[in-house]
Amino acid sequence: EVHLEQSGAEAKKPGESLRISCQASGYQFTSSWIGWVRQMPGKGLEWMGAVYPGDSDTTYSPTFQGQVTISADKSVNTAYLHWNSLKVSDTAVYYCARRLYDNDGFYLGMDSWGQGTLLTVSS
Amino acid sequence: SYELTQPSSVSVSPGQTARITCSGDTLPKQYAYWYQQKPGQAPRLVIFKDNERPSGIPDRFSGSSSGTSVTLTISGVQPEDEADYYCQSADNNISMFGGGTKLTVL
Repeated sequence: EVHLEQSGAEAKKPGESLRISCQASGYQFTSSWIGWVRQMPGKGLEWMGAVYPGDSDTTYSPTFQGQVTISADKSVNTAYLHWNSLKVSDTAVYYCARRLYDNDGFYLGMDSWGQGTLLTVSS
Repeated sequence: SYELTQPSSVSVSPGQTARITCSGDTLPKQYAYWYQQKPGQAPRLVIFKDNERPSGIPDRFSGSSSGTSVTLTISGVQPEDEADYYCQSADNNISMFGGGTKLTVL
């Protein structure tokens, strides 16, 4: 069974750095993209970007390019989302999800999701 | 950049049919995907590639596509279908979500 386990809730101050994690199990980690999605309080889903753990290739939404760094460590089956300098506006729940593709390369959707990591940034 | 536009809310009575639309210029060229999100839960994929259902999703959920719009149809709506629904598509390997539609079951 595919499972994505995210790191716990964080409370940080503006300007601090942070890395949250998403550990995958139940499938070949290096063969599927992992995407990150932001959900600000009371708002909708925003696609941030994704990483392919097989070769660490990344793609970012223009909105989040340069604001966060997405990475993966295939030795521990874990994807990461990193901020160098947090802002109050980064307060949100962050989800990771597996981006599934079929053998012909067609995207099949984000089929498995982590439980979400709540990030609160406040002075 | 591009946008996917959804109505903010749809209301139906139990047993009726709910239709949630999503419009965007890339939809004639790219597949659409639909996610259900209940309060306090992670999203769940309910439709992929416009009209295919993942295993475990009830067959009252269906999807269709026409031109620049796609539609999620829930036939015989159940109280447990009350949730937020999001469409998703992609352009040049960049994914995008619609703004979400709150489905209220009266």
